[in-house]
Amino acid sequence: AQSVSQHNHHVILSEAASLELGCNYSYGGTVNLFWYVQYPGQHLQLLLKYFSGDPLVKGIKGFEAEFIKSKFSFNLRKPSVQWSDTAEYFCAVNDRGSNTGKLIFGQGTTLQVKP
Amino acid sequence: SQTIHQWPATLVQPVGSPLSLECTVEGTSNPNLYWYRQAAGRGLQLLFYSVGIGQISSEVPQNLSASRPQDRQFILSSKKLLLSDSGFYLCAWTKDRGLYGYTFGSGTRLTV
Repeated sequence: AQSVSQHNHHVILSEAASLELGCNYSYGGTVNLFWYVQYPGQHLQLLLKYFSGDPLVKGIKGFEAEFIKSKFSFNLRKPSVQWSDTAEYFCAVNDRGSNTGKLIFGQGTTLQVKP
Repeated sequence: SQTIHQWPATLVQPVGSPLSLECTVEGTSNPNLYWYRQAAGRGLQLLFYSVGIGQISSEVPQNLSASRPQDRQFILSSKKLLLSDSGFYLCAWTKDRGLYGYTFGSGTRLTV
């Protein structure tokens, strides 16, 4: 069965600091990878996704993620965080070969950015 | 446009009472539908999914059940709620194996 692991549960950064959130998945087949963000009191919002091609994916709000197949990883990065990036971040995976489209999420990482 | 409606937004129910949460999708046909539960520190746990009318798959053993009586309607139910059923429930849909993304409802905060 697929599983997703996010290593950092709670991250505290100062504004302008660089961010990297770890995500590893466990699955032997071909996967699609996603990062979602949930701002306080808001819906889940897609940050970026990787299906194929360039393993470095750029998303909204200056976020990017790199798919490293050999490490089963899809880490999220941002060079300089802002206070408005305070939110919960979720990595997710689905099986590209399955018609169920099941999206499996990691435990989430709470990011707190101090002004 | 494609939208997803989920209600109610909040619900307080006594232990042992029944539950019915409804999710309706508009603007698409034959979507894949999902129920998730979000708990602090545990991310979003997939509870049920459905690839068609009357087709329900359960991901985790639990006190809840799901039904899909119509193409764009997905219902989460329980005959008798437990304290442990408290949480934030999210409905979601996708098509084409998620190729074009997933749309999530606004969620229901259930307190038992």
